[in-house]
Amino acid sequence: DAGVIQSPRHEVTEMGQEVTLRCKPISGHNSLFWYRQTMMRGLELLIYFNNNVPIDDSGMPEDRFSAKMPNASFSTLKIQPSEPRDSAVYFCASSNRGTSGNLPEQFFGPGTRLTVL
Amino acid sequence: QQPVQSPQAVILREGEDAVINCSSSKALYSVHWYRQKHGEAPVFLMILLKGGEQKGHEKISASFNEKKQQSSLYLTASQLSYSGTYFCGTGPTSGTYKYIFGTGTRLKVLA
Repeated sequence: DAGVIQSPRHEVTEMGQEVTLRCKPISGHNSLFWYRQTMMRGLELLIYFNNNVPIDDSGMPEDRFSAKMPNASFSTLKIQPSEPRDSAVYFCASSNRGTSGNLPEQFFGPGTRLTVL
Repeated sequence: QQPVQSPQAVILREGEDAVINCSSSKALYSVHWYRQKHGEAPVFLMILLKGGEQKGHEKISASFNEKKQQSSLYLTASQLSYSGTYFCGTGPTSGTYKYIFGTGTRLKVLA
């Protein structure tokens, strides 16, 4: 299994530009999570999907951030317009919810390091 | 509310033991532990469910005290490969899909 795939791995852009981060979850997983990691705030959950449906987006910072999951094998996180304070590492993770009722382990992608100048 | 981990950082010599604590202000149903090496993604270590169960992974074990809303990670006879940042992830209720990650503990093992 290839694991969770994210692209690009690094992104440098200028303030005001649109940024799109991409994620391909592990095949068969039904939950997908977007996280942002910074030194100041640690690992923050932005949004998660279950069966392609957004369940909780309370962690999305503001309207400049949006996420979609058009099908089970692809998700995007878009920032428009980007600002320097959006600079961070963005991780995508997937898991298989299963039927046990317990919170399953999450498999993280390698992350996208975003720098907004 | 983000779980608080202690200590924030610890430096060990190979073979020494360490304990990392995770405390939540909210009632917990489950606790997960992850390790993140520098420049890499977090990797799952273990899950603990309410009931004080203790799990193990290599020479790493953990406990969960739901009454105290705490979990502790025990690293025994630490190895160089244990270096990294450890995060607890807490799940407040059964059936929820998400958990909240703790503040993190940076662990450095020296030869």
